[in-house]
Amino acid sequence: QKEVEQDPGPLSVPEGAIVSLNCTYSNSAFQYFMWYRQYSRKGPELLMYTYSSGNKEDGRFTAQVDKSSKYISLFIRDSQPSDSATYLCAMKGNTGKLIFGQGTTLQVKP
Amino acid sequence: DTAVSQTPKYLVTQMGNDKSIKCEQNLGHDTMYWYKQDSKKFLKIMFSYNNKELIINETVPNRFSPKSPDKAHLNLHINSLELGDSAVYFCASRNDGSVYGYTFGSGTRLTVV
Repeated sequence: QKEVEQDPGPLSVPEGAIVSLNCTYSNSAFQYFMWYRQYSRKGPELLMYTYSSGNKEDGRFTAQVDKSSKYISLFIRDSQPSDSATYLCAMKGNTGKLIFGQGTTLQVKP
Repeated sequence: DTAVSQTPKYLVTQMGNDKSIKCEQNLGHDTMYWYKQDSKKFLKIMFSYNNKELIINETVPNRFSPKSPDKAHLNLHINSLELGDSAVYFCASRNDGSVYGYTFGSGTRLTVV
């Protein structure tokens, strides 16, 4: 069993839809949580980050962490075609190793 | 002005060959990483160096040997390439003072034929 599980999709939504991306994890030592966005043929770019449990909002993006359920989410409101990319959750504890989920491929259709 | 640059971007080679991938960062970061991304987009850490010292060495075949000549450079040498080595290899760097600040390069797409 992988430490971090993420549904690879693909996920296809119409422009303007609300997108929900999720990851579950098994290591209770994880306390730093991140979402990366990766466009085709590019490296991952940090999109959102949170520490421990709670919500964080940045424009159209909201990241949520529920440590009791070992579950993290990324919500995208008013999705745009430019949001089409692969979204990877990532997390780490105190070991310094950043562990990634498999990535969810999102396509937003105009 | 590229922050983390990798060369080459594409590499096609035959089984059994030896090849190297180079990475340079101009961010002044302390730690550099090699990640491997397979065809299913799964990104997995291979190695990490902090100021030229190896600090993370995952379960990777001995055919893979990283080398950090200085804090700004991290290279990856692969001996006796196998078909299963085909993947995209990403270099990344991070400042020790930043928990979240990983900067990735654009990747090296390695195809072994």
